[in-house]
Amino acid sequence: GQNIDQPTEMTATEGAIVQINCTYQTSGFNGLFWYQQHAGEAPTFLSYNVLDGLEEKGRFSSFLSRSKGYSYLLLKELQMKDSASYLCAVRDQGTGANNLFFGTGTRLTVIP
Amino acid sequence: EAGVTQFPSHSVIEKGQTVTLRCDPISGHDNLYWYRRVMGKEIKFLLHFVKESKQDESGMPNNRFLAERTGGTYSTLKVQPAELEDSGVYFCASSQGTGGVDTQYFGPGTRLTVL
Repeated sequence: GQNIDQPTEMTATEGAIVQINCTYQTSGFNGLFWYQQHAGEAPTFLSYNVLDGLEEKGRFSSFLSRSKGYSYLLLKELQMKDSASYLCAVRDQGTGANNLFFGTGTRLTVIP
Repeated sequence: EAGVTQFPSHSVIEKGQTVTLRCDPISGHDNLYWYRRVMGKEIKFLLHFVKESKQDESGMPNNRFLAERTGGTYSTLKVQPAELEDSGVYFCASSQGTGGVDTQYFGPGTRLTVL
């Protein structure tokens, strides 16, 4: 089976840095994705990691350790608009061609 | 470029009725996926089309759900007859299918409520 864990809720202050962790146990691994989802809207792609290490994209960075089954999303210089749910998803090579397995999402609230 | 669109945005029906959800993927995307999020749970995979063919339908809950993608463009997901536990948000996603990252782009979802 697939198991993807991330914290349910986090709160952080505007201008600060926040790290959202994700741990996974899957029968196969073919990449890890982070999506952002504002309430009532489509999940939007943030980042993709398939090799170990850090991927940086502006204020957002994502890290992967395949041996530990661990990833994090790092958000810097937080803005109020960053308040949203952040979804960790693993693409499992073992079960299907391309489908994603999601965690339940982390609801981030940015406060002034 | 237009994103993934879904229709309707909301649907409220009674148990036993039929509902059809529609998804229009990004133009040129061969891969189309259906996912569902039941309240309080994670987004779960339902099925995957490559063009008009079903590549993987392992996530379909039961035979009350029927997905089609005639012509390999838009897709429909029909629930017949609907049950209370079918309530949730149904997401559609599409990707180019060229390998590598092959990012899936999601639509805004259809919120289905079965009374």
